[in-house]
Amino acid sequence: DAMVIQNPRYQVTQFGKPVTLSCSQTLNHNVMYWYQQKSSQAPKLLFHYYDKDFNNEADTPDNFQSRRPNTSFCFLDIRSPGLGDAAMYLCATSRDLRLRATDTQYFGPGTRLTVL
Amino acid sequence: EDKVVQSPLSLVVHEGDTVTLNCSYEVTNFRSLLWYKQEKKAPTFLFMLTSSGIEKKSGRLSSILDKKELFSILNITATQTGDSAIYLCAVGAGGTSYGKLTFGQGTILTVHP
Repeated sequence: DAMVIQNPRYQVTQFGKPVTLSCSQTLNHNVMYWYQQKSSQAPKLLFHYYDKDFNNEADTPDNFQSRRPNTSFCFLDIRSPGLGDAAMYLCATSRDLRLRATDTQYFGPGTRLTVL
Repeated sequence: EDKVVQSPLSLVVHEGDTVTLNCSYEVTNFRSLLWYKQEKKAPTFLFMLTSSGIEKKSGRLSSILDKKELFSILNITATQTGDSAIYLCAVGAGGTSYGKLTFGQGTILTVHP
C-alpha cells in the first residue's frame, strides 16, 4: 500500500501560471520534506515541516511556497513557474528529524513538472 | 557547504557482473550515510551507515563506510536486470543541518541480459 502519495504524477503548466503539487502520507510522520530533482542532478531540499514548524532552505527561491494544513497533507505552490523550474518534485516523510535505519526518510513517487 | 559526490555517474554491465559504486562526502557534523535505489518511482531505502568498518548486507547488496577517508561503497554481486536503477547516496548531518539529507547526483546502473 502506498504510504507517501503524490498527485498528480505528471503536471504540465504554462510559463508564469501558478501550480500546486500535492503530497499526502498515511504514516502519521511528523516531518514532511519537498525536494527538487532536475535531470541528472541530485535531489535538492527546498524546505521541510516539522509538525507545523516550517523550515525554508536559504537558497530556495521565493517563488516556491509550501502549506501543511494537517499532519497528512503538504502542498508545494509554485507562484510563477519558469522554464528552469521544470523538474521532478519529490515529497518525503520521516517520523522525526533524527533518522535511524528503521526510521528513515520515505519518498513518494514524485511529480514531474513540465513548463511550456 | 556540504557536498556528496558519486562515481561513476553511469555504469553499464551484463547480468552476473559485480559492481562497486562509490560515494565520497564533505559534510560538517556527519551523522549518517544512506543509500537509496531510484527506479521510475520513489527512491527506496537500502542502507543506513553510521559506523566505520561495519558492513551492512542485504542479499546481493552490501555497503561499508569509511569515516576517516570520508567515503562509502555499495557493492552489488551477481547483478540482474532488475538492479537497473539510479543509486543515490545521501548524507545526514547534525548541528544546524539536523535532519537534512544532502544527496549525491546518483549513479545510473544499467544491467543488460
